Amino acid sequence: DGGITQSPKYLFRKEGQNVTLSCEQNLNHDAMYWYRQDPGQGLRLIYYSQIVNDFQKGDIAEGYSVSREKKESFPLTVTSAQKNPTAFYLCASTKVGGRDTQYFGPGTRLTVL
Amino acid sequence: RKEVEQDPGPFNVPEGATVAFNCTYSNSASQSFFWYRQDCRKEPKLLMSVYSSGNEDGRFTAQLNRASQYISLLIRDSKLSDSATYLCVVNDGGATNKLIFGTGTLLAVQP
Repeated sequence: DGGITQSPKYLFRKEGQNVTLSCEQNLNHDAMYWYRQDPGQGLRLIYYSQIVNDFQKGDIAEGYSVSREKKESFPLTVTSAQKNPTAFYLCASTKVGGRDTQYFGPGTRLTVL
Repeated sequence: RKEVEQDPGPFNVPEGATVAFNCTYSNSASQSFFWYRQDCRKEPKLLMSVYSSGNEDGRFTAQLNRASQYISLLIRDSKLSDSATYLCVVNDGGATNKLIFGTGTLLAVQP
């Protein structure tokens, strides 16, 4: 089945630790995105990538890093510099040149202990 | 002013009711418009795209008014399974076509 997978579903982190969230898609989509969702707020864009080996900061990139070494994969690292990392993290992808419809993975819920 | 504004709700309606959601956006350069549905603790899923001519998909009707920068979603004969948060989404109209998400409107359909 084609789709977007994220792992793990739940992640617990101690303060001061870096953690990496996985996002993989087999939809042959060009662009991939990372969002963060907090209660009562809309999705906020962290980073996005429209092509392999290239990515841009979104609205709230501080404390996060990404890589795009393969078209199918766009991992997100939450570093210890991120002040409030507890949130629901969503990965999305879309075909460049299409109607911009983004399809989402199931999300990773990160909790800092 | 928020880029995409929605009434947060909650909208509590009985089964069979008709319910309307409204959304306004601030960027006149936006070209693509969508309604997504998000169930509790799940990812958003595309409900429908919104076209200038208006579009209908079963019990769901979406309308776009570019002059007023206003988008609407109408749900007729609401079902218990329609209970969810409905997100209004527009693109930023720039070269990268980033999407801007509203905070969502919570719908609770009561038996």
